[in-house]
Parts: sequence; structure tokens; C-alpha cells
Amino acid sequence: ETGVTQSPTHLIKTRGQQVTLRCSSQSGHNTVSWYQQALGQGPQFIFQYYREEENGRGNFPPRFSGLQFPNYSSELNVNALELDDSALYLCASSFYSRDTEAFFGQGTRLTVV
Amino acid sequence: GEDVEQSLFLSVREGDSSVINCTYTDSSSTYLYWYKQEPGAGLQLLTYIFSNMDMKQDQRLTVLLNKKDKHLSLRIADTQTGDSAIYFCAESPRGADGLTFGKGTHLIIQP
Repeated sequence: ETGVTQSPTHLIKTRGQQVTLRCSSQSGHNTVSWYQQALGQGPQFIFQYYREEENGRGNFPPRFSGLQFPNYSSELNVNALELDDSALYLCASSFYSRDTEAFFGQGTRLTVV
Repeated sequence: GEDVEQSLFLSVREGDSSVINCTYTDSSSTYLYWYKQEPGAGLQLLTYIFSNMDMKQDQRLTVLLNKKDKHLSLRIADTQTGDSAIYFCAESPRGADGLTFGKGTHLIIQP
């Protein structure tokens, strides 16, 4: 158990819809990173939030957006869902943006039909 | 761009040592990680090594780094059935900020 919790655990959405995924970081951690893991692939970095600001972004389009709240929890929002957005979405928290260790949650399995 | 490569599968007998290999291309990689993922689960951090180290040992796990060849390996001694999982190699120039992962190595344990 890492103390990083994600909700919901599973979700089914229709193409074109919007989705919001949530992550509560481990106690004492102020940085949250989001990753997308397609089936049979390694996780790919979406973006990181540090002190409520985006602090680095991977190669994902603007329809992937996020928020971090004062309690350091975070949301990942995806607009105009596409079939290829079907994946496991993982959240990782760390003590600060350049901390050595990142601890992952169990993930949210998103299926787009 | 950055790239991390791993073999897709490794099969070993229970009790033997497992060696999982990884190569990376980013010469600015400072932190190199090994994560474990069991079916239906998130990622568990196993160990990490800084690029100024050659080796790190932690109980049954030994990490070897050849920085010249950009080659990282994870050795699991006395492999057990509970070690069956997917093992991901990851690198970052900046610690936990934006890891680049390989596709993972499925470790299969034979009785």
C-alpha cells in the first residue's frame, strides 16, 4: 500500500464524452504526476502538478488537462474522448517535484466505446 | 528522443536467479528505476540507482549499471512464484519528474 488512492477504479465512457479521474496523494507529498498505460505498453508521462501548477508535460494533446487542489489531490480531465484513450491511468505522488521516489496508485481503468 | 528497451519475456525456474535487462538512450539519465506490476495492480517501486553508481544491492535484488553502454540490469536471487509479474525499467534526468518507461518484461516462473 502506497497511500496513493485513485477513483474510480473502472469507468466506461462513450467516444466524444468527457471524463474526470481523481487522485489523492500520499500524506506529506505535494507533487502528483499522471501516466497513461495502454494495454501491453509501459506507462507514458502525461503531466505533473506541483503546488497547484502544471510542472512539466509529456506528448499529449491539450484535451488532456489537470488540476491540483490545496490539499495536493489532483484531477485528470480528458475531453472529446477517443477510442485510443482506453487505458489504465496511473497517478504517482512524490514529496517534491524532483524527489527521487514516486509512489503509484492502483490506477483507473478507462474504456472508451 | 528518449527510449527505453526491454525484452518482453523471461522464463526462469523457481529458485534460480532472474536477470532482467534494459537499455536506454538518453545520456542525461540521472535516475534509473525498476518497478514491478502485478496483474490488475499499479506500479510498485522496487529499487533505483543514481547514474554515478555501478551497483546497488537490496536484499534479493541487485542492480547493475553500465553507464558507458547505457545498460541496466536487475537480478533477483532465489526467484519465487510471488516474483511473477511485469518488471519495468524507467529513467529520468530529474528524479520523479516525468519518468520514461520501457514496455516491461514479463517474468514467468516455472516450478
